[in-house]
Formats: sequence, structure tokens, C-alpha cells
Amino acid sequence: AQSVAQPEDQVNVAEGNPLTVKCTYSVSGNPYLFWYVQYPNRGLQFLLKYITGDNLVKGSYGFEAEFNKSQTSFHLKKPSALVSDSALYFCAVRDGSSGTYKYIFGTGTRLKVLA
Amino acid sequence: DAGITQSPRYKITETGRQVTLMCHQTWSHSYMFWYRQDLGHGLRLIYYSAAADITDKGEVPDGYVVSRSKTENFPLTLESATRSQTSVYFCASSEQGAPDTQYFGPGTRLTVL
Repeated sequence: AQSVAQPEDQVNVAEGNPLTVKCTYSVSGNPYLFWYVQYPNRGLQFLLKYITGDNLVKGSYGFEAEFNKSQTSFHLKKPSALVSDSALYFCAVRDGSSGTYKYIFGTGTRLKVLA
Repeated sequence: DAGITQSPRYKITETGRQVTLMCHQTWSHSYMFWYRQDLGHGLRLIYYSAAADITDKGEVPDGYVVSRSKTENFPLTLESATRSQTSVYFCASSEQGAPDTQYFGPGTRLTVL
């Protein structure tokens, strides 16, 4: 069975400071990992994905994420936060060896960037 | 360039009624997905489709029916709505060459009284 945990409901960070949004996962096969962002009253937008290769993945809007197999983590990071980064962030996983496209999403982390 | 649209955007219905939520995409994407978003649960996959006439259950399929006779449409039907199906429903699509990059619609807020 697959699962995703986002241990923080909310993360507060000052503008200009680095930010980290945490995600850990559990999957029996090959983990394919994703981050999405949701702005108020909007659908989700894709940020980045890890399928294979380099453990550090770069995505949209200056975000990056690091895949850590031993810690089963895929934390989202940004070197310098902007007020406009304030939104709801979702981590997701699917088993890449299953042949299916059944994604499991975390419960979301609300990021608040303070001016 | 309409992209992916959902209709209606808001719907109020009563317990026991049948409701159909529509999803339409103009990209000819192969994959389409239905999710529901609930506080404390994040997004949960209801059904997805890999192509016309090919569908598969997700995490929470009970009480829902889908069909995909045309590539661009993926309707979701609640055969007999229950209060527990009050939620925000999101449709998403992705292309054959990059199935893991999903594009989401704006959502439908459904209230079942």
C-alpha cells in the first residue's frame, strides 16, 4: 500500500528566508514523487517530479526537491521565499512499477510567507 | 485555448438524486482523472482513464460511476448522492508522453443536502 505524510499543517517563513515543506512516503515498489501547489479557489498546479536519476529535482518558480531513499523523504525547498509563494502544497506518490496511475496525495501543507 | 474545464462550478443537490459532473479537455490528452478534495484528507483519486473506453478505480470509487466514450470528455456520475459526497471535485488530464504531469481543472463544489 502507498501512503504520503506531510507532517506540518502549516509552515510560516519570513520573506527572503529559505523554506522547506516536508514529505515522507511509503510505497512497495518504485516511488514516483510529485509536488503540486494550490492557490485559493483554484485547481492544483504541477511544480516538479522525481522519476529517476539525480536526487535533486528542479521545478517551476524556483522550487526544488530532494529525493532521499534511505529516509523515504521528498522535501520541497526554495532558497528565498516570496510572499507570492503563500499557498497550499501537496506531495503525491505513485508506484512506478505497478503499471497503474493511481496517485496518493498527502493532506497538504499551508505555506505562509510573511512580509 | 480553453484547456480543461469543469461544469457546473457549483452544484447543490439532495440526498438520493443522481448528479453528473462534467470534465472536458481540449488537448487530446490520453489520461484523465477525477479527485475529491476534503479537509483533512487532501486529494483522493476516485477513478482514472488511460484512454477512451479504459477506466480504472482509484482510492475511493464507491458511489461513483465514470465513462469515457470520447477522449475529450470524462463525466463523473453520483448515482444516488449522499451527504458524505459533499466535496470539491477536481478533474485532471495528462498526455500520453508525460502521463505524470497532470493539469487540473478549476473544480466543482458539490453540496448534498
